[in-house]
Amino acid sequence: DAGVIQSPRHEVTEMGQEVTLRCKPISGHNSLFWYRQTMMRGLELLIYFNNNVPIDDSGMPEDRFSAKMPNASFSTLKIQPSEPRDSAVYFCASSPRDRATSYEQYFGPGTRLTVT
Amino acid sequence: TQLLEQSPQFLSIQEGENLTVYCNSSSVFSSLQWYRQEPGEGPVLLVTVVTGGEVKKLKRLTFQFGDARKDSSLHITAAQPGDTGLYLCAGNQGGKLIFGQGTELSVKP
Repeated sequence: DAGVIQSPRHEVTEMGQEVTLRCKPISGHNSLFWYRQTMMRGLELLIYFNNNVPIDDSGMPEDRFSAKMPNASFSTLKIQPSEPRDSAVYFCASSPRDRATSYEQYFGPGTRLTVT
Repeated sequence: TQLLEQSPQFLSIQEGENLTVYCNSSSVFSSLQWYRQEPGEGPVLLVTVVTGGEVKKLKRLTFQFGDARKDSSLHITAAQPGDTGLYLCAGNQGGKLIFGQGTELSVKP
């Protein structure tokens, strides 16, 4: 079975440009998570969805960040406008249970974003 | 403020040595997980511990959850180069995973 799929794997963009990261969770998983990983701050939860509904977006840094989950098999994380400090690896993870209290999260390979 | 403190942050050892990684917090977690991450990849779940005092073994890896469910440890026996990677602990709090900063382990042949 395919794991969590993320695209693109690498993204280089200029400051001020819009960036859209994409995620396809594992089929049948009900929860989806977006994380950001940097050397300084480690792995941070940005937002998570349960049954396509955003449950907690308290980790989203600011209004420049937005996330959507239009259906059970697709989610996007958008940054508009992007800034150099947004450079990081962004991970999507999915979980098989109805609630985010599931103990198992399966991570995608990540998108390495560089904003110049 | 980092809710989960991992130590050490970096560890470089020779093949065959034993090691222990610690994950400490002042907060109580309903469960705690350990992940391993290799360069260019996402974290992969190793184990979940739920009950205070619980001990789980995965081949040469032994995981323990503190009695008060605030801390955990990962012990590797006879480390091998294939164990090299970033080890992350993550506490389940209110439905969210709170990750530690990670322990970068390097096992030299």
